[in-house]
Amino acid sequence: AQTVTQSQPEMSVQEAETVTLSCTYDTSESDYYLFWYKQPPSRQMILVIRQEAYKQQNATENRFSVNFQKAAKSFSLKISDSQLGDAAMYFCAYRSPGTASKLTFGTGTRLQVTL
Amino acid sequence: SAVISQKPSRDICQRGTSLTIQCQVDSQVTMMFWYRQQPGQSLTLIATANQGSEATYESGFVIDKFPISRPNLTFSTLTVSNMSPEDSSIYLCSVKDRGSYNEQFFGPGTRLTVL
Repeated sequence: AQTVTQSQPEMSVQEAETVTLSCTYDTSESDYYLFWYKQPPSRQMILVIRQEAYKQQNATENRFSVNFQKAAKSFSLKISDSQLGDAAMYFCAYRSPGTASKLTFGTGTRLQVTL
Repeated sequence: SAVISQKPSRDICQRGTSLTIQCQVDSQVTMMFWYRQQPGQSLTLIATANQGSEATYESGFVIDKFPISRPNLTFSTLTVSNMSPEDSSIYLCSVKDRGSYNEQFFGPGTRLTVL
C-alpha cells in the first residue's frame, strides 16, 4: 500500500517570503498522480496543484509550484510571495491511475503566515 | 470543477442517536466518496458510494455503522448510526469530476459533535 509522509507538522513564513512544504511517498508503481490540497479554517478542501508522474516538468499554478523528484519519491510545494490567505493546513496526496483508485493523504502541515 | 454542497454544515447530537448527512453535486459525477477527519487529523476514507449498488467500505468501517445511499449520479447520503463521542469529526463528501481527469473535489464538510 502507498504511504504519504509530511514531516513538518507546522511551518511559518513571513508575508511576501517563500516557503517550501515537504512531502515524500512510498510506492512501487511507476505511474501515479500527486496532489497538494489546502484546507483553510473554513475547512473547505481546495485543490492547489497536481502532478502526473509521467511528466518530468514540474507543475506550476501562479504562486504555487512543485519540485517533483520521482527517483527520490519527493513532492514538495513551494509557495512564493506568501499571503495571509495562504495560512491553512496543506495536505499532500497520492493516487494510483485508474477510475476506481483512491486518494491517500499525508498527515498535513499547518502553515502560518506572519506580518 | 463540480460544486458540492453538504447538509447540515454542523450538528450537535446525543449519543445513541443517528444523523444523516446529505451531499449534492451540481453535475453528474462518476464517483462519490465519504471521508472522516477527526480533530487535528488527516482525512480517512470511509467508503466509495456506488450509484445503484452497495457502497464499498474501507477497512475499519462497516455498513451498519455508516450506511450510505446513492440513488443517482448527483446525490448521496451518509448516516452515522448509534453515535458515540468518538464519532465527533468532520465528515466530507468528495467527487471525481468527469470533466477533470483524476482530479477530486471536496464539499465544505459537516462538523459533527456527539455529547
